[in-house]
Amino acid sequence: QVQLQESGPGLLKPSETLSLTCSVSGGSISSYYWSWIRQPPGKGLEWIGFIYYTGSTNYNPSLESRVTISVDTSKNQFSLKLTSVTAADTAVYYCARASSGSYHAPLPHWGQGTLVTVSS
Amino acid sequence: EIVLTQSPGTLSLSPGERATLSCRANQSVSSSYLAWYQQKPGQAPRLLIYGASSRATGIPDRFSGSGSGTDFTLTISRLEPEDFAVYYCQQYGSSPWTFGQGTKVEIK
Repeated sequence: QVQLQESGPGLLKPSETLSLTCSVSGGSISSYYWSWIRQPPGKGLEWIGFIYYTGSTNYNPSLESRVTISVDTSKNQFSLKLTSVTAADTAVYYCARASSGSYHAPLPHWGQGTLVTVSS
Repeated sequence: EIVLTQSPGTLSLSPGERATLSCRANQSVSSSYLAWYQQKPGQAPRLLIYGASSRATGIPDRFSGSGSGTDFTLTISRLEPEDFAVYYCQQYGSSPWTFGQGTKVEIK
């Protein structure tokens, strides 16, 4: 059973760069799409983007200018960078894996989520 | 971008009752790439339904999904105590993938 675990700083100051890593265990990072999704406190879910194990990416246009998702197959992990953060980026950040290697696939596998707070 | 609108915002029901949740898209969701998730406080979302009507692994048959095009429905035939949660629809047919704003199913 694949397991995902997010890690990274929980507190950032405005204008800093958010950097999170998702470590994958119980399965290979190869042959799947890997997503980042976030959820502001008390609000709904927002898809940030995904990466294929080959490095191909697709980002939400609302965040595209500030987002980079990368993959390290040797470490079986993938990462999220979000630049120039503001208080509006305060959220629980989830990593997730698609159900198959298909571009169009739902998300049955999620990490537990990590809260990132942006505050001066 | 496909905007998904869920209704109602909150559904107040008793255990044993039937729950009907709606998800409406502002344009057609291609190939019924529509999923439903359940989220409980402090937990990650859990996939219930994909492809509009297929149950995910381990999901009880009291959960069912239907619909196509722009109108989709999640039905819980008889609510169990553990079903009181927030439910989100998501489309994964057109980039960017988008979620509805959620429907909270609460105990009446």
